Amino acid sequence: EDQVTQSPEALRLQEGESSSLNCSYTVSGLRGLFWYRQDPGKGPEFLFTLYSAGEEKEKERLKATLTKKESFLHITAPKPEDSATYLCAVQAGGNEKLTFGTGTRLTIIP
Amino acid sequence: GAVVSQHPSRVICKSGTSVKIECRSLDFQATTMFWYRQFPKQSLMLMATSNEGSKATYEQGVEKDKFLINHASLTLSTLTVTSAHPEDSSFYICSARAGAGEKLFFGSGTQLSVL
Repeated sequence: EDQVTQSPEALRLQEGESSSLNCSYTVSGLRGLFWYRQDPGKGPEFLFTLYSAGEEKEKERLKATLTKKESFLHITAPKPEDSATYLCAVQAGGNEKLTFGTGTRLTIIP
Repeated sequence: GAVVSQHPSRVICKSGTSVKIECRSLDFQATTMFWYRQFPKQSLMLMATSNEGSKATYEQGVEKDKFLINHASLTLSTLTVTSAHPEDSSFYICSARAGAGEKLFFGSGTQLSVL
């Protein structure tokens, strides 16, 4: 069974304080690992897809990296508007469904 | 990016009534749509996968007679919660993609509260 574990559950940072969110996974044949941002009462907003170990993708203050066992979402010099829940999901080969983690609730304090 | 519209955003109903939630892909044809349920501080749990013109595939433990899914066109899928009960209160989210391997886009969700 595919499993996704995200840590920490919640993270509070001062504005400008860089950090990383972790997503550990076990899946039979990774087809893709996805990062989403979810604001309260809203649907997830797509951020990145990573397909193979060693791959990295960046968007503004966010950078996602992937190894064979985990992915990191690095946030550099965050701003209050980066406050949200960040979700990680995996898709196994030959399977259409995404398996989500429970997310990391990130709060950036001005 | 692609837009998926979900309606209504919030619904409050009495126990025993049925509620219909619509999910539309506004600027692309969605061959596959997915319905998720999310309880507070929990992960999104896939309920069912629907392909246009065919019956939905339900995940284990999801009652297909209670959660009716219709994907009648390439731009519209509906989820009907029949005879809703308080335990059905949750945040329901749809998602859609244009084809296999394409990005998955999510609707804004529907908060269902059953009294």
